[in-house]
Amino acid sequence: GENVEQHPSTLSVQEGDSAVIKCTYSDSASNYFPWYKQELGKGPQLIIDIRSNVGEKKDQRIAVTLNKTAKHFSLHITETQPEDSAVYFCAAVEGGGSNYKLTFGKGTLLTVNP
Amino acid sequence: ETGVTQTPRHLVMGMTNKKSLKCEQHLGHNAMYWYKQSAKKPLELMFVYNFKEQTENNSVPSRFSPECPNSSHLFLHLHTLQPEDSALYLCASSQAAWGTGTDTQYFGPGTRLTVL
Repeated sequence: GENVEQHPSTLSVQEGDSAVIKCTYSDSASNYFPWYKQELGKGPQLIIDIRSNVGEKKDQRIAVTLNKTAKHFSLHITETQPEDSAVYFCAAVEGGGSNYKLTFGKGTLLTVNP
Repeated sequence: ETGVTQTPRHLVMGMTNKKSLKCEQHLGHNAMYWYKQSAKKPLELMFVYNFKEQTENNSVPSRFSPECPNSSHLFLHLHTLQPEDSALYLCASSQAAWGTGTDTQYFGPGTRLTVL
């Protein structure tokens, strides 16, 4: 099955700096890579996703890059703000067919210091 | 809010108790999921229901029993749990659980379960 590794496990940045979180996956058939943000007391919420036919996607201060050859993808947050502080999870979908399985990384606790 | 609600938000139960977790989605989706979230571990998929049919049981112990009476409601019945079952239990829904597998999953806030 799919295996997703996520680094770092914790990340502390100053407000206004950039933050980068990296993930690798094992199943070359995986074709969909969402990123979730989980704030304290809430469930994970999708913030951006990328499909395997695209190398980069951007949404305001958030961007995701995908390198299918190397089987890794990254989340980039620019001009970080204190409200960006949360746990971020990457995930990969194991192919398609009749089942739909999200395999998650262990998460990165991002702290943005004012 | 994501359109997925879960009750109760917190639950404390003894090892001999029987309790149920409830999830409801107001998004018109056809697939619903149960996940377990433990500290320092990735989210673990437990069950998948697609159009009310269970399509995935991720080797979950029988002390967890899911029920999906319709596409909007999902239950997780709990009995004779162990302390190591203490975790955050998350429900999610998506349009469907097949095809290219690119349907976004929307999560509820979770139920924080403590087993004494």
